Amino acid sequence: DADVTQTPRNRITKTGKRIMLECSQTKGHDRMYWYRQDPGLGLQLIYYSFDVKDINKGEISDGYSVSRQAQAKFSLSLESAIPNQTALYFCATSDSGANYGYTFGSGTRLTVV
Amino acid sequence: AQSVAQPEDQVNVAEGNPLTVKCTYSVSGNPYLFWYVQYPNRGLQFLLKYITGDNLVKGSYGFEAEFNKSQTSFHLKKPSALVSDSALYFCAVRTYGNNRLAFGKGNQVVVIP
Repeated sequence: DADVTQTPRNRITKTGKRIMLECSQTKGHDRMYWYRQDPGLGLQLIYYSFDVKDINKGEISDGYSVSRQAQAKFSLSLESAIPNQTALYFCATSDSGANYGYTFGSGTRLTVV
Repeated sequence: AQSVAQPEDQVNVAEGNPLTVKCTYSVSGNPYLFWYVQYPNRGLQFLLKYITGDNLVKGSYGFEAEFNKSQTSFHLKKPSALVSDSALYFCAVRTYGNNRLAFGKGNQVVVIP
C-alpha cells in the first residue's frame, strides 16, 4: 500500500456540486498539506495542518475547505465546484523539522464541467 | 519570504548527453533545498536534498546537485541522460523555523532518443 493514498484518482463533476477529496497516510506524520497543480503554475498551497486541531489557509484557499478527521486523514472539499477548479490536486505529508521534505500522494485529477 | 526560481520552462537534451536543470533560491537564513521529480500521472517523488555539509549531494537515479551559496543556486545534474528521465522536475526550499516548502514552477525535461 502507498504511504499517502488519495481518493478518488479521477473525478468529473458538474458546476455547483459539492465534492470531497480524501487523503490518508500511514507515515505517522503530523503535518499534512493540500496542493493544486496547474500547467505552468507549479504547485499552489490550498490548506495545511500541523495536527488535528491546527488548520491553516494557504495561498489559494477561497472556494475550498478542509477537515482533519484524525492524524492520518485530511480531506479537501469544494463546496460549490466551478470550472476553474479543474486541476490536479495533491496531498502531501511531512514530519516536523525543516530538514524533512514531503511525501506526496499520486494525485486526484478533477474536472468540473 | 522564501522563493524558488526555475528559469527554463523546458529543457531538451539528447540521450547520453549531460543534463542540467537550473534552480535559484531566495531566503533569509540558511536554506534547506530539495529536488522532486514528477512522472506522468504520478505524484512528486523525492530525488535529493541539501541540508548542510558537502556542497555536492547525490540522490536517486544517478542525479546529483550542487549547492552554491554565493550564487544562491542548487542546480540538478546528471552526467548521461536517459529517455526515462523525461519528466517534470521541481526545486523547493525552506528555512529553519519556516513550516512550509516553497516550490518552483517546475521544469519539463525532454530527453531525445
